[in-house]
Amino acid sequence: SQQGEEDPQALSIQEGENATMNCSYKTSINNLQWYRQNSGRGLVHLILIRSNEREKHSGRLRVTLDTSKKSSSLLITASRAADTASYFCATVATSGTYKYIFGTGTRLKVLA
Amino acid sequence: SAVISQKPSRDICQRGTSLTIQCQVDSQVTMMFWYRQQPGQSLTLIATANQGSEATYESGFVIDKFPISRPNLTFSTLTVSNMSPEDSSIYLCSAPSGETQYFGPGTRLLVL
Repeated sequence: SQQGEEDPQALSIQEGENATMNCSYKTSINNLQWYRQNSGRGLVHLILIRSNEREKHSGRLRVTLDTSKKSSSLLITASRAADTASYFCATVATSGTYKYIFGTGTRLKVLA
Repeated sequence: SAVISQKPSRDICQRGTSLTIQCQVDSQVTMMFWYRQQPGQSLTLIATANQGSEATYESGFVIDKFPISRPNLTFSTLTVSNMSPEDSSIYLCSAPSGETQYFGPGTRLLVL
């Protein structure tokens, strides 16, 4: 399977704490993207990091990418109850298609 | 960005029947994608819907089971044919905009 792996599969933290999720993938990539999915609904795009970038920030989100290890991490700082969701990484092969390969996802629960 | 809508948002169907899911994009796009998300799982690409040509199916998915139409650059349908309980999933369509894919809200299907 080409699917990437994410860990942890589930994460439960207190409001205000930071949450870190990791994603590993198998093939060379053009970019890697993180999505959020609330309770089985559609996916919301969070952030994109290109293969020549190592770190990117967007608000309370910080994404890192290590192409030598084929891994990425998503850090959510000062978490809120509204951050409770499933988070998926998605990679696009360097062949330049739009065919996304999704990771297995991390279910984050932020307790108020 | 792209705004994508899907109909129906959810449905409960009897085994052996078929359901057609509609996907509408607010701008013209060359490619649209259909994904399946089985309960508690990640997303799996079913097929790429190309305007003016046959859809391209991923391994494990066939046209007889998941026929796709793409009559114009803003619309596509996915039919789930001869349904069984194993087809109970969320079905999502997506379309690219720039380097990113945007997703519809999904269609939650339960087959009894």
